[in-house]
Parts: sequence; C-alpha cells; structure tokens
Amino acid sequence: KNEVEQSPQNLTAQEGEFITINCSYSVGISALHWLQQHPGGGIVSLFMLSSGKKKHGRLIATINIQEKHSSLHITASHPRDSAVYICAGNSGGGADGLTFGKGTHLIIQP
Amino acid sequence: NAGVTQTPKFQVLKTGQSMTLQCAQDMNHNSMYWYRQDPGMGLRLIYYSASEGTTDKGEVPNGYNVSRLNKREFSLRLESAAPSQTSVYFCASRRSGVVNEQFFGPGTRLTVL
Repeated sequence: KNEVEQSPQNLTAQEGEFITINCSYSVGISALHWLQQHPGGGIVSLFMLSSGKKKHGRLIATINIQEKHSSLHITASHPRDSAVYICAGNSGGGADGLTFGKGTHLIIQP
Repeated sequence: NAGVTQTPKFQVLKTGQSMTLQCAQDMNHNSMYWYRQDPGMGLRLIYYSASEGTTDKGEVPNGYNVSRLNKREFSLRLESAAPSQTSVYFCASRRSGVVNEQFFGPGTRLTVL
C-alpha cells in the first residue's frame, strides 16, 4: 500500500475555477513536497513544507500535521496550470529519499 | 548553472543489452538519487548516494547498479535489460543536512523490447 495517497487522480476544470488537490500520508514525515510535472516530463519542486501554509503566486499549499493531510490550491486557474501534481513525503530513512503519491492529472480548459 | 542533466533523453534497447544512464549536477550537492516512473505508479527510488563514494539501495534496486565516481556524477547501469525495466528514469540531487528540496533532471525515456 502506497504510504502517500492523492485525490483526485484526474481533475478537469474550467479556466478561472478554484482547484484543490489533496494528499494524505500514513507515516510520519519530516517534510511534505508538492511537485509539478508538465507534459514534456520535467519535474519541478513547487513547495516544501513541514507546518502551516505557503503561498507562491496563485498557488497555496497547506499541511495539517495532526491529521497527516496536505492540500494544494490553485486560484484563478489557467490552461497553463495543466500538469500532473505530485505529493511526496520525506520519510527520513537512508539519504532521506522521497515517497511519492501517484499524482493528480489536472486539465484546465479555456 | 545547468542544474541536473541526464543523458540520453531517449533510448531503445533489446532484451539482454546493457547501457548506462548518466547524471550530473553542478550545484555542489552531496545527495543524489535515481528514480523510475511507471504509468499508474508514483516515482520509486532505485538507488541513492548520500555522498561521493557511497551508494545504497532504494525500494526497487534489482537489475540495476550505480556508481558515484565524484561529487558531480551519479550513473545508473542496466547490465542485462529486461522489458520490465521500460520506464522513465529521473535523477535528482539535493543538499545534505536539514530537509530541503530535490532538483530533478529532465528524465530518460527507456524502452526495452
């Protein structure tokens, strides 16, 4: 069983809508990462957080340590936001590799 | 800075052939990682290296070997490729110490026939 679960797996929305992607994890982690993977395949780190909330432009990430839950929000969504969004946790073992969720495939239609 | 670079970008092999995927970073990072990404599954850790000269197995190491010859470079070798190794391979690096973000290479798309 994957220790990091994301929902939904797929999400299609209209331009301008408020988007929420959820991530739950079943083990203790030292930090939670949100990553973005565009159709070209490259992976970019969006946020890394261990508590509270972070904001960058139209993207907001929150984490609730007690509930082992994190959310990624996109305000005023745009077609260029279409990508796969991946949640990952630092498990702390070994060289502190990441444990990844399966990703949420987001499509924003104009 | 180029960040994390990988070569090749694409490769097709026949079953039983060998090849080495190359990865290099110019950010002076100590830790480097090899992941594979398969449809319907999250990225999975193959091997990692916490520092030059050290390597350790990750979640799915079978069929792979790695070399960390210097701080910049971390290579992944398939000695006898199998169709199950068809995947997209990502190299990543990060600074050691406190938890911090990983930087990913562009990926290598490998097909084993």
